Amino acid sequence: RKEVEQDPGPFNVPEGATVAFNCTYSNSASQSFFWYRQDCRKEPKLLMSVYSSGNEDGRFTAQLNRASQYISLLIRDSKLSDSATYLCVVNMYGNQFYFGTGTSLTVIP
Amino acid sequence: DTEVTQTPKHLVMGMTNKKSLKCEQHMGHRAMYWYKQKAKKPPELMFVYSYEKLSINESVPSRFSPECPNSSLLNLHLHALQPEDSALYLCASSPGTMGVEQFFGPGTRLTVL
Repeated sequence: RKEVEQDPGPFNVPEGATVAFNCTYSNSASQSFFWYRQDCRKEPKLLMSVYSSGNEDGRFTAQLNRASQYISLLIRDSKLSDSATYLCVVNMYGNQFYFGTGTSLTVIP
Repeated sequence: DTEVTQTPKHLVMGMTNKKSLKCEQHMGHRAMYWYKQKAKKPPELMFVYSYEKLSINESVPSRFSPECPNSSLLNLHLHALQPEDSALYLCASSPGTMGVEQFFGPGTRLTVL
């Protein structure tokens, strides 16, 4: 069983739509959670850390459900520039980061 | 300086060549990582250095040889690679403490002929 599972998509949504991605993790000892964004042929870049209380940054909202061992990312009012791959990353111990397979998002005009 | 740098950006090498990839960070991070990424796949962990010592080797073939000369530098020495080793090689660093993310370099795009 993989440590981190994501629906790879692809998700194709119209501009202005709301889209949600989920990610599940297998180890209840996981401590820290992140969403990264990766554009084609570029490196992953941190989009948001995910906190137990949930957190919001503009159009992006991340939530953590420890009981069910999943994290989510909600994107509201999708823009063309949101088209990318979104990677769920779980940090289990200080130096161990586990990646989901990534979810591909294309926002269509 | 919140940046991880990698050189070269692109590398083309033959199967008999020896080359090295370089990575540098000046954020005082104590953990540094090498990842390999193929198209449409997530980064795949190769090596982790913690406090300049190799702490994780994910069963990587010996034709890849990592080196951490000091806390800011990480090298990946390449020798006798195969065409299937062609990929984007990403370096990352992190403080090594819980709750803080990894920072990635821009990667080296490697082509093995």
